[in-house]
Amino acid sequence: NAGVTQTPKFQVLKTGQSMTLQCAQDMNHNSMYWYRQDPGMGLRLIYYSASEGTTDKGEVPNGYNVSRLNKREFSLRLESAAPSQTSVYFCASSVRNMNTEAFFGQGTRLTVV
Amino acid sequence: GQQLNQSPQSMFIQEGEDVSMNCTSSSIFNTWLWYKQDPGEGPVLLIALYKAGELTSNGRLTAQFGITRKDSFLNISASIPSDVGIYFCAGQLFKAAGNKLTFGGGTRVLVKP
Repeated sequence: NAGVTQTPKFQVLKTGQSMTLQCAQDMNHNSMYWYRQDPGMGLRLIYYSASEGTTDKGEVPNGYNVSRLNKREFSLRLESAAPSQTSVYFCASSVRNMNTEAFFGQGTRLTVV
Repeated sequence: GQQLNQSPQSMFIQEGEDVSMNCTSSSIFNTWLWYKQDPGEGPVLLIALYKAGELTSNGRLTAQFGITRKDSFLNISASIPSDVGIYFCAGQLFKAAGNKLTFGGGTRVLVKP
């Protein structure tokens, strides 16, 4: 009963380092999303993938890239991490694009020093 | 972009109390959603509202979609310790905004010592 699985759960990076956050869902959902959560600001959409093979920018895409590797997996890449990217990152999936019944992963807490 | 103002930012509850929180927007939404986030977990959908004026319950939770489509409230009746967490409202505007969800900053519910 995994649902949406994110790895890693915690990560510390130095400024300028790169890394990829992994996300996989086992619910056969078409759409997947990456959000970041900052104190007092709710969740902000970084990128989304309405279906396999497509990706689109969300509200705060700068400094990130994504890959929809297949229907199950949607990764988020930070090419050159900055302290402003310190945040908690959530992956989510839904049956169709922006369907309100989105299921979230447990989050990745990223600190950039 | 659109902003959702959620209040209060935090509140203390005593077991058995009724509590209320609300969300207001400068713009209208087609859908209002309420999520709860437990520590170390991703948000979980509690209630979805699809029509202006709609009042919907889910156990001890009741939420309403404001008539103006610019606000919503969530009530928790007879609160219990497991109600602690962060509650987020989110609004969705179809098509014009790509069906994107806009989240409020959250209401942190804590137990009175």
